[in-house]
Amino acid sequence: QSALTQPASVSGSPGQSITISCTGTSSDVGGYNYVSWYQQHPGKAPKLMIYDVSNRPSGVSNRFSGSKSGNTASLTISGLQAEDEADYYCSSYTSSSTLYVVFGGGTKLTVL
Amino acid sequence: QLQLQESGPGLVKPSETLSLTCTVSGGSISSSSYYWGWIRQPPGKGLEWIGSIYYSGSTYYNPSLKSRVTISVDTSKNQFSLKLSSVTAADTAVYYCARQGITMVQADYWGQGTLVTVSS
Repeated sequence: QSALTQPASVSGSPGQSITISCTGTSSDVGGYNYVSWYQQHPGKAPKLMIYDVSNRPSGVSNRFSGSKSGNTASLTISGLQAEDEADYYCSSYTSSSTLYVVFGGGTKLTVL
Repeated sequence: QLQLQESGPGLVKPSETLSLTCTVSGGSISSSSYYWGWIRQPPGKGLEWIGSIYYSGSTYYNPSLKSRVTISVDTSKNQFSLKLSSVTAADTAVYYCARQGITMVQADYWGQGTLVTVSS
């Protein structure tokens, strides 16, 4: 199955805003409002940051926001902080070939 | 606070069966609001959904692994398990168990992960 497409890396300076894209198809990202975003620090388990495209779990900073347009979902981090440096993964429900959950390839965020 | 903990051998020989168990504490695996899933991550690579199970025993598998995967649940022990047969080096990965929402996309609680190496 094809993973969702994310940029391999993005970077930004402290205080700036960055956006990570996640491109799929009408069978996944474009077809359902079931996109999640995860943050993963080295050696740690992923942490849910956004679910259902734009909802934040309790305890997640409001500097993190999600959106979707067509087949592309986006994660925006505003007011970048050093602790935001991590890998970020998107995930979507999919109706493709009985595969229910598909992940993006991941994006490495570097805070300069 | 819900906690999940993976357990099982860290080394499996090629062609054998990988077996892991996830023990859930601080909450019931029999909740009707959640699925319980397995996700893996090969060293230096991205996440891959393996499959998920509902407390009733209904299962959903990644088609690319379906012929080799079995996920089961033991509600009396608040555990669910993964079996992956005929493993090769390509199955070497950190294996995570997680609690998933009703669409299986959002995983809000994760185990710490366990590295399973396939090698003779």
